[in-house]
Amino acid sequence: QKEVEQNSGPLSVPEGAIASLNCTYSDRGSQSFFWYRQYSGKSPELIMFIYSNGDKEDGRFTAQLNKASQYVSLLIRDSQPSDSATYLCAVNGQNFVFGPGTRLSVLP
Amino acid sequence: SAVISQKPSRDICQRGTSLTIQCQVDSQVTMMFWYRQQPGQSLTLIATANQGSEATYESGFVIDKFPISRPNLTFSTLTVSNMSPEDSSIYLCSVGGQGTGGTEAFFGQGTRLTVV
Repeated sequence: QKEVEQNSGPLSVPEGAIASLNCTYSDRGSQSFFWYRQYSGKSPELIMFIYSNGDKEDGRFTAQLNKASQYVSLLIRDSQPSDSATYLCAVNGQNFVFGPGTRLSVLP
Repeated sequence: SAVISQKPSRDICQRGTSLTIQCQVDSQVTMMFWYRQQPGQSLTLIATANQGSEATYESGFVIDKFPISRPNLTFSTLTVSNMSPEDSSIYLCSVGGQGTGGTEAFFGQGTRLTVV
């Protein structure tokens, strides 16, 4: 079992819709969770982090964490074409591990 | 947050040659990390560079192929030696994340390497 798993996509949503990105992890001792956005040819940039169970909102982004289910998600409301990128989930437990990323395409 | 300057941003190199990538951080950090991102793939940790000691390499990466220097708390270099086309990747310098008790990782701009 891979340490951090994500659907590779591509995930296509129409402009204005909600994009839902999912991530599961195997290390139950993981304590912090991060979502990075990576545009093609660029380095990853941090969007959000979450440490506690529940929801954390920042503008159009909401991170959700369920440690019992070992599941973390990212919701993007009112998706824009500029949100089209690869989204990487990262988990900090025994090691800091990145998932394979989900490619999101927001269609005008 | 940390500001990381990485260079070169890209290079095209002949097989058999070596390329040294430089990474400068705007603050002193104990650990710096080097990642590789192959086309269409996620980030793979190559090694951890600690100031004053030998770098720690992950499984599948060796010092002869990826020698690392860490002369002070703000600077590190990664050399990709005896390159082959399989080394064509994006190489990223990073601080934070690993072994920091939960803080996020910050990245340099990356070096896009093409080996021909």
